[in-house]
Amino acid sequence: DQQVKQNSPSLSVQEGRISILNCDYTNSMFDYFLWYKKYPAEGPTFLISISSIKDKNEDGRFTVFLNKSAKHLSLHIVPSQPGDSAVYFCAASLGGSEKLVFGKGTKLTVNP
Amino acid sequence: GAGVSQSPRYKVTKRGQDVALRCDPISGHVSLYWYRQALGQGPEFLTYFNYEAQQDKSGLPNDRFSAERPEGSISTLTIQRTEQRDSAMYRCASSLVGPNNSPLHFGNGTRLTVT
Repeated sequence: DQQVKQNSPSLSVQEGRISILNCDYTNSMFDYFLWYKKYPAEGPTFLISISSIKDKNEDGRFTVFLNKSAKHLSLHIVPSQPGDSAVYFCAASLGGSEKLVFGKGTKLTVNP
Repeated sequence: GAGVSQSPRYKVTKRGQDVALRCDPISGHVSLYWYRQALGQGPEFLTYFNYEAQQDKSGLPNDRFSAERPEGSISTLTIQRTEQRDSAMYRCASSLVGPNNSPLHFGNGTRLTVT
């Protein structure tokens, strides 16, 4: 039973437009959420995180939004660039736990 | 500086053999994690260490899987009597303190194929 769900296996956007990647979770005890980005043949790299006490965190072109009542978070990339093409994983953890629970990932393709 | 290093990069083994996968974390990182990633899936937690102490091994699938980090640095994940279902990418990650306070840095993984 997937506790962290990324329902879109892939997403394609034009360069310069907004990319929106979505993630849903089922465990209301999760209190810390992260996004990782993965290029082929490499390990995932940390992108941005958000604590459950916030509803938004921004870092340059990347913004993560958290809607606790809907158990939903999203990653916005504006403007999208071809170098953003990668697989994006959503992950969550329980307070005090070192264990991250990952979604299956969404493959983003940004077309020039 | 060097990132997390895993060896071997690829391992092909016959069913029933034992394998040992090595992880060399970023120098100074306290926490070390092992994850397993099947094709088309996200990483799945196996176990983690703070220094040399194994704090959580709840994700290890069965007693054929074990891990150690005897000196609080390099770690080895051992799979005994391998089975075909063990085939996957095995990823090691390290962090300065822990995922809520510092992000995980993943290695490039060891792709294990059991024939």
